[in-house]
Amino acid sequence: GENVEQHPSTLSVQEGDSAVIKCTYSDSASNYFPWYKQELGKRPQLIIDIRSNVGEKKDQRIAVTLNKTAKHFSLHITETQPEDSAVYFCAASIGDKLTFGTGTQLKVEL
Amino acid sequence: GAVVSQHPSWVICKSGTSVKIECRSLDFQATTMFWYRQFPKQSLMLMATSNEGSKATYEQGVEKDKFLINHASLTLSTLTVTSAHPEDSSFYICSAGSVGGSYEQYFGPGTRLTVT
Repeated sequence: GENVEQHPSTLSVQEGDSAVIKCTYSDSASNYFPWYKQELGKRPQLIIDIRSNVGEKKDQRIAVTLNKTAKHFSLHITETQPEDSAVYFCAASIGDKLTFGTGTQLKVEL
Repeated sequence: GAVVSQHPSWVICKSGTSVKIECRSLDFQATTMFWYRQFPKQSLMLMATSNEGSKATYEQGVEKDKFLINHASLTLSTLTVTSAHPEDSSFYICSAGSVGGSYEQYFGPGTRLTVT
């Protein structure tokens, strides 16, 4: 089955700096790559996603890049704010079935 | 649109009892729903895929006789944890997806289960 690795597990940045989280996946058949933000005790919230036929997607301060050849995808958050502090999960999907990465605890410090 | 609810939001039960969790799609029909389990400070792990009108598909290592899934209608899936034990204490989250051809999954708010 699909295996998704995510790094780093924790990330501390200063407010206004950029944050980058990286994921790799194992199954070349994966065709959908969402990123979720999860606050403690809450449901995962989709923040951006990308399909396998696209290399990059941006939505305001958030961007995702996908390298299908290397089976890598990354989340980029620019101009970080304290409210960006949360756990972020990447995921890879074959059809409907999502496999999640291990998560990154992002802390944005004032 | 695409709202998923879960009930209850939290439940405490005694060891050996059974607990039922409901997952509802409020404004769309979901032929497929998914059940995840999330232990503290860990990722979401898919337990099973729930298909309306047919048997659920369980992931490797998930006991189908312990985690009973029923998807009797296009808007309701239930997960029953039978003979619960303290190690079953976890955050259980359902999701529904593939609305109108979209790949996006819509997550319920989760149910916090504590077994004493």
